[in-house]
Amino acid sequence: GIQVEQSPPDLILQEGANSTLRCNFSDSVNNLQWFHQNPWGQLINLFYIPSGTKQNGRLSATTVATERYSLLYISSSQTTDSGVYFCAVGGAGSYQLTFGKGTKLSVIP
Amino acid sequence: DGGITQSPKYLFRKEGQNVTLSCEQNLNHDAMYWYRQDPGQGLRLIYYSQIVNDFQKGDIAEGYSVSREKKESFPLTVTSAQKNPTAFYLCASTGDRQQFFGPGTRLTVL
Repeated sequence: GIQVEQSPPDLILQEGANSTLRCNFSDSVNNLQWFHQNPWGQLINLFYIPSGTKQNGRLSATTVATERYSLLYISSSQTTDSGVYFCAVGGAGSYQLTFGKGTKLSVIP
Repeated sequence: DGGITQSPKYLFRKEGQNVTLSCEQNLNHDAMYWYRQDPGQGLRLIYYSQIVNDFQKGDIAEGYSVSREKKESFPLTVTSAQKNPTAFYLCASTGDRQQFFGPGTRLTVL
């Protein structure tokens, strides 16, 4: 199956700083999503982005499918951005998503 | 409000007992999923269903069972055959290719 690697595994930021989270995957995909899991366990879908670039407020994401990676940018981080960010991918014809192990982000005041 | 509900939020079970976790959605989504999350880990797929009365095993289906009798409901039974059932269980559904999650059930086996 497709392998998904996320980096870094842990990240500590001062409030107001910017950050870049990376997701590498081992095979071609036609589905890639980014999620944020808050400290209470709720997962929120941030982006569906199998290719190209999208922006939503302070968050943006870019997927370069030909080079098998995706990046999630967080600008002007806030304490509410803390949590775990997951990348999940799916191959052609598949209804399944394979999740990476996540990047744990801690934003300190 | 449209969304996915899971119950109960916390569940305690004695070894050797079966237990059923509830998942309901009112998003009119066809596809539904069950994942397991262990501390510090990503999500692993247990079962998924693309339509009513049909479901497929995921990567870690052993010791679990599901049913899909209604579009809105996809309950998961954790059987006594599951060797290490203590975990956080998440239900999801997919609409327009995006996956959405319920709040989860934390199961602890005593």
